[in-house]
Amino acid sequence: AQTVTQSQPEMSVQEAETVTLSCTYDTSESDYYLFWYKQPPSRQMILVIRQEAYKQQNATENRFSVNFQKAAKSFSLKISDSQLGDAAMYFCAYRYNNNDMRFGAGTRLTVKP
Amino acid sequence: EAQVTQNPRYLITVTGKKLTVTCSQNMNHEYMSWYRQDPGLGLRQIYYSMNVEVTDKGDVPEGYKVSRKEKRNFPLILESPSPNQTSLYFCASSLLGEETQYFGPGTRLLVL
Repeated sequence: AQTVTQSQPEMSVQEAETVTLSCTYDTSESDYYLFWYKQPPSRQMILVIRQEAYKQQNATENRFSVNFQKAAKSFSLKISDSQLGDAAMYFCAYRYNNNDMRFGAGTRLTVKP
Repeated sequence: EAQVTQNPRYLITVTGKKLTVTCSQNMNHEYMSWYRQDPGLGLRQIYYSMNVEVTDKGDVPEGYKVSRKEKRNFPLILESPSPNQTSLYFCASSLLGEETQYFGPGTRLLVL
């Protein structure tokens, strides 16, 4: 079964600095999707960024970018110019062929002013 | 506005008292799913549905039931809730063939 591992339960970053959240996954498939979701204190699940495994180019959304290493099964999220509003729980997730989405345990990000 | 709605948002109940959490989406999505979120475990799938009258178990289905009589609705039923079902529940939906799921606002359930 596919598993997703987030090895950093908590991270902190100074406002305006850059932080990288780690995620690794295990799969035998070659064509799948990876996601980062943000969960602020409101508990809403907000899609931050997604990556198709068949695309070599790393996805970017404004201050958020990923480092997708398919061979290493690694999918890290980089947040540049961190803002106070970035403070949240971040979940890495994997999905293949319309099956269930597998989530990591989450990384709680604190942003210090 | 395209959205997934859940009701209620907060619920406190007692062991054994049947309850239903509703989920509705207005995006004409075929795929709908229920997850529970627990500290240190992330989100785990309870049940999912690929279309009307088609449902299947996820990773943690014990103690839950679902039905899909209409495309837009996918209620989660707890016939006899127990304290270990205290959790944060999310409903999600997507088009078949579209990998991005859209989540409802969550329902926080406390079973005493």
